Amino acid sequence: DTGVSQNPRHKITKRGQNVTFRCDPISEHNRLYWYRQTLGQGPEFLTYFQNEAQLEKSRLLSDRFSAERPKGSFSTLEIQRTEQGDSAMYLCASSRVTGVGEQYFGPGTRLTVT
Amino acid sequence: DAKTTQPPSMDCAEGRAANLPCNHSTISGNEYVYWYRQIHSQGPQYIIHGLKNNETNEMASLIITEDRKSSTLILPHATLRDTAVYYCIGGINQFYFGTGTSLTVIP
Repeated sequence: DTGVSQNPRHKITKRGQNVTFRCDPISEHNRLYWYRQTLGQGPEFLTYFQNEAQLEKSRLLSDRFSAERPKGSFSTLEIQRTEQGDSAMYLCASSRVTGVGEQYFGPGTRLTVT
Repeated sequence: DAKTTQPPSMDCAEGRAANLPCNHSTISGNEYVYWYRQIHSQGPQYIIHGLKNNETNEMASLIITEDRKSSTLILPHATLRDTAVYYCIGGINQFYFGTGTSLTVIP
């Protein structure tokens, strides 16, 4: 069990650029979740996958946000045409489907849009 | 998922028990109560969960009221490393974290 990993850990980009973040879940976990967290707030749910199927995406913040998990393993979160308001910590978590499914979080990717 | 209410902040003396309350009056019968904590600049960490019965693990104890409308997370001997934001979540999907309780352990 190597834990959930996220890359990059930090990303600075200029407004209008596209960015992509990667999440590698714990290997035996079927579910993968994406959250956004801004200063002083709790994690805000964005979307989640069970294997390669995206089961909930209505919470994605706008059509500039998209996520994929093509082979049911790692996932990517892309933000197109970034805005300064997108500056935040982006967290990934994974869990089993069976049992109570507690989530295990990665360290996050901190995005700064200048 | 159920709506939860937590106090925004609490202090606790080092070595004493920290008791963190959570109201989840809208929780339904099959929804678990989960607790996570987040130390500054790290991802949240799972602590414990429960359905009806009280639970204990190596990190904490969870006391759930009989009507399941509230619960208390107990850290029996708080240390400085327990300073963190603690989130109570009610639900099957565990999506909604709220703003949590910021616990400060004081030397």
